[in-house]
Amino acid sequence: DTGVSQNPRHKITKRGQNVTFRCDPISEHNRLYWYRQTLGQGPEFLTYFQNEAQLEKSRLLSDRFSAERPKGSFSTLEIQRTEQGDSAMYLCASSLSENWGGVQYFGPGTRLTVT
Amino acid sequence: DAKTTQPPSMDCAEGRAANLPCNHSTISGNEYVYWYRQIHSQGPQYIIHGLKNNETNEMASLIITEDRKSSTLILPHATLRDTAVYYCIPKTSGSRLTFGEGTQLTVNP
Repeated sequence: DTGVSQNPRHKITKRGQNVTFRCDPISEHNRLYWYRQTLGQGPEFLTYFQNEAQLEKSRLLSDRFSAERPKGSFSTLEIQRTEQGDSAMYLCASSLSENWGGVQYFGPGTRLTVT
Repeated sequence: DAKTTQPPSMDCAEGRAANLPCNHSTISGNEYVYWYRQIHSQGPQYIIHGLKNNETNEMASLIITEDRKSSTLILPHATLRDTAVYYCIPKTSGSRLTFGEGTQLTVNP
């Protein structure tokens, strides 16, 4: 399968622990995005990369969150000192560079539960 | 980004056409209209997008009004697997997708 993959699919952690999620984009895609989705809401943008450069960060991305894409391929999203409010589905998407518009393809998501 | 208005829910009989409306009256000239759907507990799935002209692909048809203030997504022969939340998203050349509330489409047998 050549789609976007995310690991792990589910993560349960205790409040205060650190967690890290991984996203592998579609191989030729140079843009990679992270979104967060809480129950009953649509996904919300967190950040995006073009190649290895992080070009935009949402205000939702507090200083406990950090994302990297060290070689312009896979990306990791780390949450430090998790809080119960961090419980959500974390979605990754990838696309090719665009002038106008552009299709983002999403992975299956990582569901985080903070107890 | 333009604001959108979609009905919160719609029902459709299996095998019939599902017509999902979206109002985006503040859309700007450089914004495409994208449609995504999200089946329960899965990641969003791209359906179709367009700028001015009507578009059709293997999944759906997109009808955009001449003034571009509204659009309709048409699933010509809805199946039970089309039950999902459908999102209409105007998008500029910037990269983020801004998801609204969407429409919960339920296809009934």
